[in-house]
Amino acid sequence: AQKVTQAQTEISVVEKEDVTLDCVYETRDTTYYLFWYKQPPSGELVFLIRRNSFDEQNEISGRYSWNFQKSTSSFNFTITASQVVDSAVYFCALSNSNSGYALNFGKGTSLLVTP
Amino acid sequence: KAGVTQTPRYLIKTRGQQVTLSCSPISGHRSVSWYQQTPGQGLQFLFEYFSETQRNKGNFPGRFSGRQFSNSRSEMNVSTLELGDSALYLCASSLAQGTDTQYFGPGTRLTVL
Repeated sequence: AQKVTQAQTEISVVEKEDVTLDCVYETRDTTYYLFWYKQPPSGELVFLIRRNSFDEQNEISGRYSWNFQKSTSSFNFTITASQVVDSAVYFCALSNSNSGYALNFGKGTSLLVTP
Repeated sequence: KAGVTQTPRYLIKTRGQQVTLSCSPISGHRSVSWYQQTPGQGLQFLFEYFSETQRNKGNFPGRFSGRQFSNSRSEMNVSTLELGDSALYLCASSLAQGTDTQYFGPGTRLTVL
């Protein structure tokens, strides 16, 4: 079985604070793919980042960075210097051959950034 | 390049009716997947189409069906609507079946009264 857990249901920060969104996953596959999507109030899921299981290199892209650790089955996402426009629901997702590469989503973390 | 488009954006139906939702993928993308989003169940996979064939299916009743056309556009149909079918239906496209990243459209908000 595979599962994605986002323990944080809601986070509220003040603008310019850094915020980390947690994601823990379960899978028996050795090859899998992890994603972060953002869903603003408009409803569209916006792709943010993707990481393959065989590549544990962590990167920074602008104000976004992620920390992928296979040893703890975690794929955390950090927004540096948060802005009001970052307010949205953030979803972590897992796909692998076991699911036919369908995305298996966590329940999401609602982020509110206030001025 | 234009993104994934979905029509209609909003729909109100009554129980027992049927509904058809449409999705046009990003140009060049050949795989289309559908997801249902509800407050209670979250985001759940419905099915995936590639080359006009259903390649993968989630755990939904047979009232939910879909198809894909030769231009990769896809439709999903829900027959005999139930109140619990009220949801945001999201379509995603990817270059091909499998490991490619899925890009989502704005969704169709279906309300069943």
